[in-house]
Amino acid sequence: QQQVKQSPQSLIVQKGGISIINCAYENTAFDYFPWYQQFPGKGPALLIAIRPDVSEKKEGRFTISFNKSAKQFSLHIMDSQPGDSATYFCAAKTTDSWGKFQFGAGTQVVVTP
Amino acid sequence: DAGITQSPRHKVTETGTPVTLRCHQTENHRYMYWYRQDPGHGLRLIHYSYGVKDTDKGEVSDGYSVSRSKTEDFLLTLESATSSQTSVYFCAIRDLGETQYFGPGTRLLVL
Repeated sequence: QQQVKQSPQSLIVQKGGISIINCAYENTAFDYFPWYQQFPGKGPALLIAIRPDVSEKKEGRFTISFNKSAKQFSLHIMDSQPGDSATYFCAAKTTDSWGKFQFGAGTQVVVTP
Repeated sequence: DAGITQSPRHKVTETGTPVTLRCHQTENHRYMYWYRQDPGHGLRLIHYSYGVKDTDKGEVSDGYSVSRSKTEDFLLTLESATSSQTSVYFCAIRDLGETQYFGPGTRLLVL
């Protein structure tokens, strides 16, 4: 069973627009919520991450919003560029000593010129 | 790719044959992970390791085994490959922080 649910499955946005990807989790035993970006033929790479004691984190054009009570977090890509076209995964890390990661199913983002 | 290599990068094999994938790191990180990536499922954890000879099962471990005899190497073995194991396999490493670094992946096709 997937403990981290991600939506939408795919997204098309015009250059300069805002891309929004949402994730919801069920298990409360998570303490770290990263987003990964993956280009075709490559491994995922960390984009931005947040801890549950923070409601928002911004790095350049990328912002994570975190709602602990609703068990939801989202990625906003501002001023989307064609180079942002990629697959994005949300994830959550367990609090146990192993620190295992649960991943969402991924969102394919296409930014049109 | 944060000092992570995976070999082979591509492999075609037949049902019923054993297959071993290798992950090698130069970072001396303690944690190592094997994931498989399939459309609609994201990345699913197969096995993970905390250190030499210290491994445990992930959520999709059936049909897979691992070994870690050296810090830098984490091997994933498909004991008897099946078509359902056709996938892209990623190795990841993590130090004592939270950041995972992924390898370039191995694309496996089981005929």
